[in-house]
Amino acid sequence: GESVGLHLPTLSVQEGDNSIINCAYSNSASDYFIWYKQESGKGPQFIIDIRSNMDKRQGQRVTVLLNKTVKHLSLQIAATQPGDSAVYFCAENSYSGNTPLVFGKGTRLSVIA
Amino acid sequence: SAVISQKPSRDICQRGTSLTIQCQVDSQVTMMFWYRQQPGQSLTLIATANQGSEATYESGFVIDKFPISRPNLTFSTLTVSNMSPEDSSIYLCSVKEGGNQPQHFGDGTRLSIL
Repeated sequence: GESVGLHLPTLSVQEGDNSIINCAYSNSASDYFIWYKQESGKGPQFIIDIRSNMDKRQGQRVTVLLNKTVKHLSLQIAATQPGDSAVYFCAENSYSGNTPLVFGKGTRLSVIA
Repeated sequence: SAVISQKPSRDICQRGTSLTIQCQVDSQVTMMFWYRQQPGQSLTLIATANQGSEATYESGFVIDKFPISRPNLTFSTLTVSNMSPEDSSIYLCSVKEGGNQPQHFGDGTRLSIL
C-alpha cells in the first residue's frame, strides 16, 4: 500500500551545525505534509507543515522543503541545539480531508555537545 | 491548539486483563484517532473515532480487541482487551480540530503486560 518512509534511521550532528532529515513518500495524491518531533516519554509534537502548492516553508530555525517531482520531503534545522535531540517523523495526508495521518518510520537525531 | 490529556500515563497489567485508556480534550473536536507505537517504532493507526458514529478500524485491528467509545466531542476511551505481552506499547490519542488543521497528540499511555 501507500507509505511514507525515511532514508536515514539515525543522525548525529555537532551542536551548532545544521541538520537535515529526509523523507520519501509514495502517495502522489497526498497534498499535505507535517513534521513531528517526539521526545522521550512524550507524544509527537507538531513542528511545521507544508501544502503541496508550496515547495518551501520556514519557521523558527526550521525549514521544510518539498520536491513533488521526486516525492521527497526534508526538514532542515539550523544551528542544532541539544534540545533538538529527539525522534523526528514525517507524516502525510490530504489537506482538507478527514483522513488521518500516515507516518514515516522516524529518524533519531542526536546532538553532540 | 487543543490540549490533550490521557489517563493513565502508564500501567503494568497482568496477562488476560483489560485496561481502558481515557482521552480528554480541552475543546470540542470533530475527529479523534487512536494510534499504537510499539517500542522503537513509528505510529500505527488503530481506529478513527468520530462522535455519533461507530469507530472505523484499520486493517489488523478489531473492535472486540480494541473497543472504543466517543460519547461527546471532548472525550474518548480505548480499551485494550484480554491483554498479552504483544500488546505492550504506547497508545496515543490524537485530535484534529478541522479539515484544514494539523493533528495533535497526547503524551500517550505506556502499557506493559506481564
